[in-house]
Amino acid sequence: KQEVTQIPAALSVPEGENLVLNCSFTDSAIYNLQWFRQDPGKGLTSLLLIQSSQREQTSGRLNASLDKSSGRSTLYIAASQPGDSATYLCAVRRRQSTLTFGKGTMLLVSP
Amino acid sequence: DTAVSQTPKYLVTQMGNDKSIKCEQNLGHDTMYWYKQDSKKFLKIMFSYNNKELIINETVPNRFSPKSPDKAHLNLHINSLELGDSAVYFCASSPLQGGGLAYSTGELFFGEGSRLTVL
Repeated sequence: KQEVTQIPAALSVPEGENLVLNCSFTDSAIYNLQWFRQDPGKGLTSLLLIQSSQREQTSGRLNASLDKSSGRSTLYIAASQPGDSATYLCAVRRRQSTLTFGKGTMLLVSP
Repeated sequence: DTAVSQTPKYLVTQMGNDKSIKCEQNLGHDTMYWYKQDSKKFLKIMFSYNNKELIINETVPNRFSPKSPDKAHLNLHINSLELGDSAVYFCASSPLQGGGLAYSTGELFFGEGSRLTVL
């Protein structure tokens, strides 16, 4: 059974800092991995999708890496802004299966 | 235009009642899902439908009955509501990739959620 763990559970940083969110999964036979953002009282917004054959994906100030063999992914946020404050969720998909989510990292970026 | 929309956004009801949550996607996706997010914010899959056909039912009580009238809609009906059903229910959709595969492997797009409170 796939389990997804995200560390830290919560993170508070001052504006402008670069930061890294971690995601680990127990079954390395994944098809892809997706990072989401969830704002309070809102749905999930897809940030980045990494296929199992890829090592990383970039979108603006976000960079996600994937090391399938070690069961890890990181989400790097450069030059953080207060608007980045949200909960970040990592989810992995095995072939012919649905997404398994981690419990998320709650990020607070203070001005 | 909202890609995945669900109604109602908030639902407060008494134990024992029956209620429905509707979901529609205008992305042309083949696969739709219902997820439940509990009080600890943990997201768990409930159902997955592909072109109106049930693909995944993750040990959800049979009081929950999804219905897909067409591939753009996936509604969730809940009978005899219990206190433990209080949660936020999210609808999602994704494209089907890899021709011939029964399961979608594409990116998921979520609705804004429906917060159900059972009193």
